[in-house]
Amino acid sequence: AQSVAQPEDQVNVAEGNPLTVKCTYSVSGNPYLFWYVQYPNRGLQFLLKYITGDNLVKGSYGFEAEFNKSQTSFHLKKPSALVSDSALYFCAVRDMKVTSGTYKYIFGTGTRLKVLA
Amino acid sequence: NAGVTQTPKFQVLKTGQSMTLQCAQDMNHEYMSWYRQDPGMGLRLIHYSVGAGITDQGEVPNGYNVSRSTTEDFPLRLLSAAPSQTSVYFCATKSLSSGANVLTFGAGSRLTVL
Repeated sequence: AQSVAQPEDQVNVAEGNPLTVKCTYSVSGNPYLFWYVQYPNRGLQFLLKYITGDNLVKGSYGFEAEFNKSQTSFHLKKPSALVSDSALYFCAVRDMKVTSGTYKYIFGTGTRLKVLA
Repeated sequence: NAGVTQTPKFQVLKTGQSMTLQCAQDMNHEYMSWYRQDPGMGLRLIHYSVGAGITDQGEVPNGYNVSRSTTEDFPLRLLSAAPSQTSVYFCATKSLSSGANVLTFGAGSRLTVL
C-alpha cells in the first residue's frame, strides 16, 4: 500500500539556521511527491513537487526538497529559516493505482515547524 | 478569481442532525475531493469526483454522502452527525487536463458535533 511518513511531530529551529523537515514514502512504481504548507486557519498551499528529473526540486518561499530514491525520502529544506516559515507542513504522494482514470493523494500526518527569533 | 470556496466556515451541530458542507470552484477543475483533518491523523480522503455524475469513495467515507451534478459544485452531506465527525473539512480540486498534479485547497470548514 502507498504511504507517507513524517517522523517528527514538531521541528524547532532558530531564525537564520538551516531547516529540514523529513518525509519518507512507500509506493509502487515511480512516485509523484509533494510538499504543502498550512498556515493557521488556512487551507493547504502547494510548495513544490517531484515528478521526474533533477533530484533537487526548488519551490516557493525559498524552499527546496531532495528526492532520494535509495532512501525513499523527500526531505524539505531551507538554507535560512524565517520566523514567518512557522507553519504546519505536509508531505504527500499521489497514489499511482489508476483505475478508470481515478487517483488519490495520500498525506502524511504533518510536521509543525517553529522558527524561534 | 475566487478559486475554491467553502461554506460555512464554522458550524456546530447536535448529534443526529444533518447538514451539507458546500464546495464551489471557478477554475473548471474536473477533480474535486473532500478531506478531513484531525490532530495526529493528517488529512484523510473522504470522497472524490473526476467529473459531473462520477463520484468514488476515499479512505473514510462512512457517514458522508456526496454528489456531483455540475463541474463547479461538490457538496458533502452528513445525514446524521456523530461526535466522531467533529473535524476540519477541506475541499481540494485539481485540473486533470493540465497534468499539473497540484491540488488547490479551500480555506476549510470547522465542524463541531455535540
